[in-house]
Amino acid sequence: SAVISQKPSRDICQRGTSLTIQCQVDSQVTMMFWYRQQPGQSLTLIATANQGSEATYESGFVIDKFPISRPNLTFSTLTVSNMSPEDSSIYLCSWTGQGANEQFFGPGTRLTVL
Amino acid sequence: GDSVTQMEGPVTLSEEAFLTINCTYTATGYPSLFWYVQYPGEGLQLLLKATKADDKGSNKGFEATYRKETTSFHLEKGSVQVSDSAVYFCALSDQKYGVGTASKLTFGTGTRLQVTL
Repeated sequence: SAVISQKPSRDICQRGTSLTIQCQVDSQVTMMFWYRQQPGQSLTLIATANQGSEATYESGFVIDKFPISRPNLTFSTLTVSNMSPEDSSIYLCSWTGQGANEQFFGPGTRLTVL
Repeated sequence: GDSVTQMEGPVTLSEEAFLTINCTYTATGYPSLFWYVQYPGEGLQLLLKATKADDKGSNKGFEATYRKETTSFHLEKGSVQVSDSAVYFCALSDQKYGVGTASKLTFGTGTRLQVTL
């Protein structure tokens, strides 16, 4: 399966600032997903990112807070905007190939907001 | 909506003990079921999957059987090792986007397993 990497692996940010997380896959993939894992909790899907179209956001997540880009079939970014301590989480990207319903995950970005 | 319920952890076992982590689900239609594992400091890895009723997924000595009648997908291993210490997540995929297309995953809360010598 394709190898997926994320940058940064971790960051500590100040309240009110924004952070962009990058996700790179080493082969072309159809769909990419962004998840949030809050401390001690499970993963929650933020949005689905298809190349060439607007991301589809889950209930409770909005584009102004979590803008996503998907400029090509190997890359996506998630921005966490105007951060607050409640945004402290691990953010993970994942991918799936066409015809598959299993997902493969990146190593995650551990974000701490002070 | 879809949901996954896992037994709460942490689960602490001695090496070579038998492991069961319970997972039940609620879903419309016929979801696929997955177990993911997250080792300390790492991302999620797919451990095993089952796509239809009575299927058994297996990998690295772990097994889980898709039981539609009890809506369960319990994870088992006959003899755990210290290296199995990790957080285990049960998940299901919803098929609303159509067969052959990617579906979002709904995760359980995760169960932390600690194996000691």
